Amino acid sequence: AQRVTQPEKLLSVFKGAPVELKCNYSYSGSPELFWYVQYSRQRLQLLLRHISRESIKGFTADLNKGETSFHLKKPFAQEEDSAMYYCALNLGTSYGKLTFGQGTILTVHP
Amino acid sequence: NAGVTQTPKFQVLKTGQSMTLQCAQDMNHNSMYWYRQDPGMGLRLIYYSASEGTTDKGEVPNGYNVSRLNKREFSLRLESAAPSQTSVYFCASSEEGGVTYGYTFGSGTRLTVV
Repeated sequence: AQRVTQPEKLLSVFKGAPVELKCNYSYSGSPELFWYVQYSRQRLQLLLRHISRESIKGFTADLNKGETSFHLKKPFAQEEDSAMYYCALNLGTSYGKLTFGQGTILTVHP
Repeated sequence: NAGVTQTPKFQVLKTGQSMTLQCAQDMNHNSMYWYRQDPGMGLRLIYYSASEGTTDKGEVPNGYNVSRLNKREFSLRLESAAPSQTSVYFCASSEEGGVTYGYTFGSGTRLTVV
């Protein structure tokens, strides 16, 4: 069975500090991994896709197949980064049925 | 460009009542999904529709039914609401070829069953 684990329900950092949101997955095949973000009173939106190896809003995430992890990182957190973050796994089906982790609420203090 | 539109935004039901949550997308996406969001549980897939005319169960389908009315619309029905169905419900859609380009989500429906 596929599983996505985000071990931290809550994460608090100060502005300017580095932040890392952890995501571990359990899947023996070739996964597609994503990070989604939900800002206060806004709808969920895609933040990052591992296949694109992009940096969005200063965030990066590297897929580590050996550790089965896809941690989200930002070197200098900003107050506007405060949000709920979800890691999500697609098993590679053509229609893309995503399995989401439990979510991490990030709070960046001034 | 509205994207994914869900109605209603809020609803309070009494136990045993029925209701239908509506979802429509205007992006010509083939695949549509219904998730529920509960604290500490993340988003869990209720039902999905890979393409028009097909629907399949997700992780937590009990107590729900769906209809893919056409390519644009995918509704979720609660036949006899229970307090355990109190949740925030999200509809999403994705392009043909998978979620490589990501889901587009609706704004959610906050449902309370008393």
